[in-house]
Amino acid sequence: EDKVVQSPLSLVVHEGDTVTLNCSYEVTNFRSLLWYKQEKKAPTFLFMLTSSGIEKKSGRLSSILDKKELFSILNITATQTGDSAVYLCASFTSGTYKYIFGTGTRLKVLA
Amino acid sequence: NAGVTQTPKFRILKIGQSMTLQCAQDMNHNYMYWYRQDPGMGLKLIYYSVGAGITDKGEVPNGYNVSRSTTEDFPLRLELAAPSQTSVYFCASSYSGRGANEKLFFGSGTQLSVL
Repeated sequence: EDKVVQSPLSLVVHEGDTVTLNCSYEVTNFRSLLWYKQEKKAPTFLFMLTSSGIEKKSGRLSSILDKKELFSILNITATQTGDSAVYLCASFTSGTYKYIFGTGTRLKVLA
Repeated sequence: NAGVTQTPKFRILKIGQSMTLQCAQDMNHNYMYWYRQDPGMGLKLIYYSVGAGITDKGEVPNGYNVSRSTTEDFPLRLELAAPSQTSVYFCASSYSGRGANEKLFFGSGTQLSVL
């Protein structure tokens, strides 16, 4: 059965800290790994990763994929209170065309 | 461009009632998905469709039905609502044609309570 696991489940940091969120996957016919940020409502897209070792970056956020070890990390540097959210990762599989989500990491950034 | 539109935004059902959650997208996406999200949890796949006339079960399909008669619409039907179906429901879609990047677009969600 396809599985996506995120860690930690929750995290509390202070503004200015750097955080690393983890996402491991065990899926058949893996195609890509996606990261989303969810505040009060629907998830919003952050990154999509398909190739190992190529970092994607957007401002203070960056992400990388390791297809050999089957995991991805999401880094947030110089955290701000506006980064407080649930961060979700999902795998997309070819063949079945399913997106399977992890349980998410709840990040709280204190002022 | 409306994107993915879900209705209603909120609904309260009594045990045993039925209802249909509507989902429509105007992006010409052929892949559509229904997820539920329980408090403090991730998204669980209920049903999905890779095109008109084609649907398949996800991780938690029991108690739900879907149909996909057009590319744009993907309604989710709840028969005999139960308290365990209290959740937030998200519809999502993605594009699989030339130039596709598998980005999943979400609707704004439906908060459903079954009492």
